[in-house]
Amino acid sequence: QKEVEQNSGPLSVPEGAIASLNCTYSDRGSQSFFWYRQYSGKSPELIMFIYSNGDKEDGRFTAQLNKASQYVSLLIRDSQPSDSATYLCAVNGARGNNDMRFGAGTRLTVKP
Amino acid sequence: EAGVAQSPRYKIIEKRQSVAFWCNPISGHATLYWYQQILGQGPKLLIQFQNNGVVDDSQLPKDRFSAERLKGVDSTLKIQPAKLEDSAVYLCASSTSGGFAEQFFGPGTRLTVL
Repeated sequence: QKEVEQNSGPLSVPEGAIASLNCTYSDRGSQSFFWYRQYSGKSPELIMFIYSNGDKEDGRFTAQLNKASQYVSLLIRDSQPSDSATYLCAVNGARGNNDMRFGAGTRLTVKP
Repeated sequence: EAGVAQSPRYKIIEKRQSVAFWCNPISGHATLYWYQQILGQGPKLLIQFQNNGVVDDSQLPKDRFSAERLKGVDSTLKIQPAKLEDSAVYLCASSTSGGFAEQFFGPGTRLTVL
């Protein structure tokens, strides 16, 4: 079982719609959870992080965490073509030293 | 604030050759990470340094990969000898501490092994 699992996609949504990206993780000791965006040929950039169960909102982005289900998601409201990228879920803290474990990413395409 | 610097940006070598990558982290960042990202996959942590000490190298193929951060600032990652499956982007990242601080990534070095 992979430590962090994501649907590879591609996920395609029309402009203005809500994009929903999902991630599950295997290590119950994981303490912090991250969403990175990676444009083709570029390095990952942090969008959001979440530590506590529930929702965390930042602009058009909402991260949701359910530790009991070992599940984290990212919602993107009012999706724009510029949101088209690969979204990487990452978890860390199981070993206590900020060692990040990444999923393979979900490729999102927002169609105008 | 200058970001994480890496060089070279691209490298093409033949299998069994050696190659080295260089990384200079954000000034003041104590923790430095090397990741390998194979096409279509997420980054995989190879090694983590806290200052000049190794915190985690459990996923580093030590028979061919080595890394050092002698003065606790910049770092080099070496592959000797390279294999075809080493073709990937090698990302360097840094953070202020080994806690849960945000990691900032450099632009990466794209390695092609022929």
